Amino acid sequence: QSALTQPASVSGSPGQSITISCTGTSSDVGNYNYVSWYQQHPGKAPKLIIFDVTNRPSGLSNRFSGSKSGNTASLTISGLQAEDEADYYCCSYASSTTLVFGGGTKLTVL
Amino acid sequence: EVQLVESGGGLAQPGGSLRLSCAASGFAFRSYWMYWVRQAPGKGLVWVSRINGDGSHTRYVDSVKGRFTMSRDNAKNTLYLQMNSLRAEDTAVYYCASGITMKEVEAWGQGTLVTVSS
Repeated sequence: QSALTQPASVSGSPGQSITISCTGTSSDVGNYNYVSWYQQHPGKAPKLIIFDVTNRPSGLSNRFSGSKSGNTASLTISGLQAEDEADYYCCSYASSTTLVFGGGTKLTVL
Repeated sequence: EVQLVESGGGLAQPGGSLRLSCAASGFAFRSYWMYWVRQAPGKGLVWVSRINGDGSHTRYVDSVKGRFTMSRDNAKNTLYLQMNSLRAEDTAVYYCASGITMKEVEAWGQGTLVTVSS
């Protein structure tokens, strides 16, 4: 099972919006609505920010949103803040009944 | 509050063994799927293994099949990963994680570092 494809890095200024893409195949992202996104600050554990493609865990800021079209899922962060600077990973359930992660995207807030 | 606390990491020689543990609290442990996910230094997340609630079903990534064994003790709310025939490429932070289904990881532990080197 190959890793999902994410851009290595994205950047934006405070207050702006950015979108991170996550491209898979018809065996994972394209076939299941089980795409999740995780935020990871340096030296820390990942934290769930989106599940089931579009849902946010209770208490999480609505500045984070998810979507999917075909084999590509996307994470959008609006109103960028300094504390959003982190690595972001997508993950999808796959037809092999395993989980596959993306390679990760480093978000820099300028 | 969900808490997952890993232990057992450290330095092992190539070909050696380590046993990781993960103590769980704050949720109905026996009702949850549990996972191990690893992250090599400076690299991304990689799913390693999963186990169902009663421990009867496990699944592993191809690179660890036959070498790693995942198990759980629901009486102790503890998850395990027995790692044998360790290789340099197994060097990583190993995270214990949980999910109500086998399709998504929800909560994560803080991780434990495994270093395989002579």
